[in-house]
Amino acid sequence: AQSVTQLGSHVSVSEGALVLLRCNYSSSVPPYLFWYVQYPNQGLQLLLKYTSAATLVKGINGFEAEFKKSETSFHLTKPSAHMSDAAEYFCAVRVDSGNTPLVFGKGTRLSVIA
Amino acid sequence: EPEVTQTPSHQVTQMGQEVILRCVPISNHLYFYWYRQILGQKVEFLVSFYNNEISEKSEIFDDQFSVERPDGSNFTLKIRSTKLEDSAMYFCASSLGQGTGFGYTFGSGTRLTVV
Repeated sequence: AQSVTQLGSHVSVSEGALVLLRCNYSSSVPPYLFWYVQYPNQGLQLLLKYTSAATLVKGINGFEAEFKKSETSFHLTKPSAHMSDAAEYFCAVRVDSGNTPLVFGKGTRLSVIA
Repeated sequence: EPEVTQTPSHQVTQMGQEVILRCVPISNHLYFYWYRQILGQKVEFLVSFYNNEISEKSEIFDDQFSVERPDGSNFTLKIRSTKLEDSAMYFCASSLGQGTGFGYTFGSGTRLTVV
């Protein structure tokens, strides 16, 4: 069965600094990988997804993630953090087999310090 | 932009009581889901629903849980006799199709507190 592990339940960065949120996956078949963001009192919003096309995926709000099969990773990055990036970020995996559900990681809370 | 709407945003209930969490998916979506997140833990899949029947469910989704699409617009999750451990954030989601090319749209969640 597929799973994801998010390293670090809380990450704190200074405004303007690099954001790096880590996600490692486990899957016996080629996975589809997603990053979702949850702002306070809002739903889960799709940031970006990897579906076996380009390994470097660009998403909304300046975020991107790189699929590295050799490292079984799909880390999320942003070159320069903004205060508005403070939120909870979830990595998720799905395999393309019927209507298989998304499997989420525990989430990483990103704080941005002025 | 179309939204998935969940009501109420927060519900407090006594242990043993029945609760119904409500969701209005996006109108042309065909697949519906419930997920939950216990505080500090993973977002966990509960159930998926298509063509008026459950298509998949997790081991969490036992006989205490049921889902229904009573009127073609609402999608409800019922917990028959709540337990303290049912306290969690419950998310509804919908999608247009079932392949991975179709994303899920999530609602903002209902926080259920069982006392």
